[in-house]
Amino acid sequence: DTEVTQTPKHLVMGMTNKKSLKCEQHMGHRAMYWYKQKAKKPPELMFVYSYEKLSINESVPSRFSPECPNSSLLNLHLHALQPEDSALYLCASSQRSGGDYGYTFGSGTRLTVV
Amino acid sequence: LAKTTQPISMDSYEGQEVNITCSHNNIATNDYITWYQQFPSQGPRFIIQGYKTKVTNEVASLFIPADRKSSTLSLPRVSLSDTAVYYCLVGEDTGFQKLVFGTGTRLLVSP
Repeated sequence: DTEVTQTPKHLVMGMTNKKSLKCEQHMGHRAMYWYKQKAKKPPELMFVYSYEKLSINESVPSRFSPECPNSSLLNLHLHALQPEDSALYLCASSQRSGGDYGYTFGSGTRLTVV
Repeated sequence: LAKTTQPISMDSYEGQEVNITCSHNNIATNDYITWYQQFPSQGPRFIIQGYKTKVTNEVASLFIPADRKSSTLSLPRVSLSDTAVYYCLVGEDTGFQKLVFGTGTRLLVSP
């Protein structure tokens, strides 16, 4: 299995809702990432998990809460989002290696906040 | 992380060769150059990576001059399905680090 699977593919939520995005990989990668991408813009890094521990938080608002329950799973919990948080949320994974830049991205979750 | 500069957009026709150049004047000794392709509403997909000279795979070629301050992604005989955004990234060849995307080049292939 060489894929990163993200669910759901589409999500519409109200500003008072709580929802979660899920990301799963079975490639044995020990780093996992959340990126946010607005329309016609490049992906922007949000969080990096290394060996299930949060290693980088790019000053993301607390209404986004990441969680890494195990080496294969990465969640992003959403609460009290704003309409400007509507975007494509991408998950990626990578392995530490000397010869392969090995970042694999999922297809993303299209989030709409109403 | 070295900053990269690419053309915002390029146009081509089916069957032509497309060359997309990326400038990275501040590239460090340990940095590699990697290109990703992204279709609308999909995640970026790794295309090719190189350190110096020329690298070729089944999809593309990557040309890197001796000073490594720029690189050129070459797509032979493009088709309509090559219409996408292409990102050039520069960084150490390890995982577990920030992957910082520049603005990318939007390639449009017409019939």
